[in-house]
Amino acid sequence: DGGITQSPKYLFRKEGQNVTLSCEQNLNHDAMYWYRQDPGQGLRLIYYSQIVNDFQKGDIAEGYSVSREKKESFPLTVTSAQKNPTAFYLCASRGLAGGREQYFGPGTRLTVT
Amino acid sequence: AQKVTQAQTEISVVEKEDVTLDCVYETRDTTYYLFWYKQPPSGELVFLIRRNSFDEQNEISGRYSWNFQKSTSSFNFTITASQVVDSAVYFCALSVKGTYKYIFGTGTRLKVLA
Repeated sequence: DGGITQSPKYLFRKEGQNVTLSCEQNLNHDAMYWYRQDPGQGLRLIYYSQIVNDFQKGDIAEGYSVSREKKESFPLTVTSAQKNPTAFYLCASRGLAGGREQYFGPGTRLTVT
Repeated sequence: AQKVTQAQTEISVVEKEDVTLDCVYETRDTTYYLFWYKQPPSGELVFLIRRNSFDEQNEISGRYSWNFQKSTSSFNFTITASQVVDSAVYFCALSVKGTYKYIFGTGTRLKVLA
């Protein structure tokens, strides 16, 4: 089945540790995105990538890093510099042809204590 | 700058009632795209519909219908004969041609009571 996978579904870390969230897609989409969602709020853009080996900061990139070494993969690292990392993280992708709608993965709920 | 406003934070209806979710957007660009997504309790956002700025034709898909009005910068979503399975958070989003960014509203939580 084509789609976007994010792993793990739930992730727990101690404060001060870096943690990497996985996002893989087999939709052959060029663009990929990371969003953060806090309770009762909308989605805020962390990073996005239009092509391999290129990515741009979104609205809340501080304390996060990404890489795009393969078209299918766009991992997000939440560093210890992120002051409030506990949140729900959503990965999305979009093809450059056809409609502009994004398709989302199931999300990773990160809890840092 | 672009903006999407979903003024209704939470709506509760009884099953079989009709319900309309409001979405108001702001942009100075003439070519843009509007979207609705559904986020069930599982968390994954599910794409429902895309509408281009140059196409104001309303759309109906089963119990769902969308009313796009450029004159009022609105893209409202109506669920007819609501069902418990419609309970979710619904997001409206905007994307402008030539950019890769999407602006999301804060979402409307719909609760359909049996």
